[in-house]
Amino acid sequence: DTAVSQTPKYLVTQMGNDKSIKCEQNLGHDTMYWYKQDSKKFLKIMFSYNNKELIINETVPNRFSPKSPDKAHLNLHINSLELGDSAVYFCASSQEALQGGNGYTFGSGTRLTVV
Amino acid sequence: GQQVMQIPQYQHVQEGEDFTTYCNSSTTLSNIQWYKQRPGGHPVFLIQLVKSGEVKKQKRLTFQFGEAKKNSSLHITATQTTDVGTYFCARGRGSNYKLTFGKGTLLTVNP
Repeated sequence: DTAVSQTPKYLVTQMGNDKSIKCEQNLGHDTMYWYKQDSKKFLKIMFSYNNKELIINETVPNRFSPKSPDKAHLNLHINSLELGDSAVYFCASSQEALQGGNGYTFGSGTRLTVV
Repeated sequence: GQQVMQIPQYQHVQEGEDFTTYCNSSTTLSNIQWYKQRPGGHPVFLIQLVKSGEVKKQKRLTFQFGEAKKNSSLHITATQTTDVGTYFCARGRGSNYKLTFGKGTLLTVNP
């Protein structure tokens, strides 16, 4: 049973296309996140949702649109893909982010390559 | 900004040697978390430190939180090849929902 699962694992697409990445967690966590990891391994938060409500939107181009149909799912749609969008995108979840000390649980990542 | 600085960026050791990575902040941290990411893998939560001067151990790993809560360290005793990966510290702020990661320290171990 994978705790945080993302699909697809790999995504290769042409510039200008629109694509979606899906994320599901079966941990019963209230909060879900999208992080972007660039080629230098820098992990940067993009969005955070708590109980289906957007609480963090970190200066991400509006080509990126997250959607949370319920608290177990957080999807990421990207319009008009650009070369600079190539990265690994990680979904994560947590319960009461910094209380309880259990940290974030990350999915295995989606490696997006825009050509 | 609210970044945490991690040093060194890279560390290569011989198996059996010790390893330490440091995480520093110019402002007081409410807490610090540590994660490990194996090559090709995803970040995995190791530990959270909350109290000033706190020291926690997990087998060969020792985590410390500075007295002023502005720095933290992760020390690995007698490294093994299974310790290879990037170690990240991450700062949280109270009960918010945003974890800000340092740039990580990539550890490689020569068998």
